Amino acid sequence: QVQLVESGGGVVQPGGSLRLSCETSGITFSISGMHWVRQAPGKGLEWVAFLRHDGVTTYYADSVKGRFTISRDTSKKTLYLQMNSLRAEDTAVYYCAKDKKTTSFDYWGQGTLVTVSS
Amino acid sequence: EIVLTQSPATLSLSPGERATLSCRASQSVDSYLAWYQQKPGQAPRLLIYDVFNRATGIPARFSGSGSGTDFTLTISSLEPEDFAIYYCQQRTNWPPEFTFGQGTKVEIK
Repeated sequence: QVQLVESGGGVVQPGGSLRLSCETSGITFSISGMHWVRQAPGKGLEWVAFLRHDGVTTYYADSVKGRFTISRDTSKKTLYLQMNSLRAEDTAVYYCAKDKKTTSFDYWGQGTLVTVSS
Repeated sequence: EIVLTQSPATLSLSPGERATLSCRASQSVDSYLAWYQQKPGQAPRLLIYDVFNRATGIPARFSGSGSGTDFTLTISSLEPEDFAIYYCQQRTNWPPEFTFGQGTKVEIK
C-alpha cells in the first residue's frame, strides 16, 4: 500500500524559509521520480518541482525557480522541499506526488498547508 | 507555456447521466494528457494518463479520448461518488513543465 505523508507546513513571515518533508512507504523510492504540487486556497493545482528518479536532475516552475529546492534522502525514503524567500503568493497546500512515466502523478499525499503572512 | 482551458466550468447532472468534460490546449500537446478527480478536503486522484489509459483501480465508466489540442473525459453513467472537481494536466516536451486546467466541477442537479 502506497503512502505519502507530508509534514513541515505552518505559518511563516514573508521572506522566511520553511522545509517540507514527504515520508514514503510502499514504493521503490530510490528509483521513483517525485514531484511537489501546490494548491492555493480555493484555487486550482500548480506544479512546483520535479526530482527525476536519478535523484539528481531537477526541474522547477518559473514561479519558484531560484527560491525552492527539491531533494531526497534515499535512506529515509523521504522527499524534501526547501522553500526560501517566501512570498504571500506561495500560500497553499503542498502535495508530494509520485511520478508516473514522467507524464503524470499517480500517488499523492494528503498535503501540508503553508501560510505566508506577517 | 501551454495553457489548458476546461469547459464547462460547472456541469449539473443527475446520477446515471453521462458526463462529458472538455480540455483544450493552447497548442498541440503530445499524448501526455492526464485527468484527475478531487473531492473537498482530499488530494487529487489520477484517473486517466497518456490520454486514454485508466489508472490502477479506476472504474471502466471513466474514459479519455482526444488528440492534438482537444481532449475529453467521459463518465458514462454518473455514480453518487463521482460528483467532484476534475482537472486535466499536460506535460511539455523537454525540459518538462506540467500545467493543469482550471477544473470542471461536476455537481448534482
